[in-house]
Amino acid sequence: KAGVTQTPRYLIKTRGQQVTLSCSPISGHRSVSWYQQTPGQGLQFLFEYFSETQRNKGNFPGRFSGRQFSNSRSEMNVSTLELGDSALYLCASNIVAGVTEQYFGPGTRLTVT
Amino acid sequence: DAKTTQPPSMDCAEGRAANLPCNHSTISGNEYVYWYRQIHSQGPQYIIHGLKNNETNEMASLIITEDRKSSTLILPHATLRDTAVYYCIVRAYNSGGSNYKLTFGKGTLLTVNP
Repeated sequence: KAGVTQTPRYLIKTRGQQVTLSCSPISGHRSVSWYQQTPGQGLQFLFEYFSETQRNKGNFPGRFSGRQFSNSRSEMNVSTLELGDSALYLCASNIVAGVTEQYFGPGTRLTVT
Repeated sequence: DAKTTQPPSMDCAEGRAANLPCNHSTISGNEYVYWYRQIHSQGPQYIIHGLKNNETNEMASLIITEDRKSSTLILPHATLRDTAVYYCIVRAYNSGGSNYKLTFGKGTLLTVNP
């Protein structure tokens, strides 16, 4: 079974631009979560989607948004990029059940210049 | 979710057992203990989880104290490839199909030395 895939793996953008990152969960997994990882703040939860609905949201500004499609694939978008948005963006998926582990993708390394 | 406390770093000799402690003194009855690790620049990897009984899988063993206020992850024969940041996370059982958020702390950087 293929793992969680994220595209692109690396991205360089300029301040003020917007960016869209994509995540394909493991087949059969219906929940997708996004995390941001920076050296200063560590791993921080962005949001979680299940059945095309955002179920949980972390403490990030409205410039960060996401969506989930009917095939469980998910995208996250960051508008008006700032230098501080440079980070590793990780996507994780899991089967929807009581006690489950999350499976993480390799991440997208975003650099904002 | 309950807060966890882990030492910031530990060293271990290759081939020896690595014992990584985690304190979760405010854990509640429906919260499980999960362990993940993150090898440099990769996504976190699930290792093991448990509620109150000790657990073992092909990667590691998890020992949870009787009062559940602390736990230890044991890598029985550490290799150089086990060098990573290890995260201990506590999270409630979920029956509603939502809220799979994981709250990561700083974790423990385990360095396995040759």
